[in-house]
Amino acid sequence: GAGVSQSPSNKVTEKGKDVELRCDPISGHTALYWYRQSLGQGLEFLIYFQGNSAPDKSGLPSDRFSAERTGGSVSTLTIQRTQQEDSAVYLCASSARPSILAGGGTTQYFGPGTRLTVL
Amino acid sequence: KNEVEQSPQNLTAQEGEFITINCSYSVGISALHWLQQHPGGGIVSLFMLSSGKKKHGRLIATINIQEKHSSLHITASHPRDSAVYICAVLNDMRFGAGTRLTVKP
Repeated sequence: GAGVSQSPSNKVTEKGKDVELRCDPISGHTALYWYRQSLGQGLEFLIYFQGNSAPDKSGLPSDRFSAERTGGSVSTLTIQRTQQEDSAVYLCASSARPSILAGGGTTQYFGPGTRLTVL
Repeated sequence: KNEVEQSPQNLTAQEGEFITINCSYSVGISALHWLQQHPGGGIVSLFMLSSGKKKHGRLIATINIQEKHSSLHITASHPRDSAVYICAVLNDMRFGAGTRLTVKP
């Protein structure tokens, strides 16, 4: 079946603008994760959704970042008033069971990422 | 100090060489993951392991829970193995900084 998809693949925006990044997880996967990877840096956890539970937002770097997941499927990551330091690749992943609740013992499937450049 | 540390940061090898990438962690885990990120950015999950050893083709992953250490080995390396390899403790959302492997023909 189809893997995790993300759109757009590339986004260039001006400082101060808002952006929305979309993630379509694998059908049936209950858990969805957003990560960020800045140039030359490792992966950084942002937010995690599990079913209808309240999301774990502990990784969001500021209140300019928010995310929602509608109907337990598609997720949108929104960055308001973008700054140059927001430039990064934003990666989405999904898993059949949550990595956290499963003690880390479930595989996450990653999307291709959205490369965000803030000028 | 990063709770998940990888070494080396960069590794260049000749085609055919045996490769070892190491990962040490200080957090408690029940499973550790090895991820592969290709130059285009796509990430693939290679292994999830909680004990012993797993093998898939030319890739072998081992873990020693007592020593909090895991290794990823690549036998008969090939230029297409060139990628960044990331060690991850996904239940704690902790990632190593990655090891950039370049295999030259």
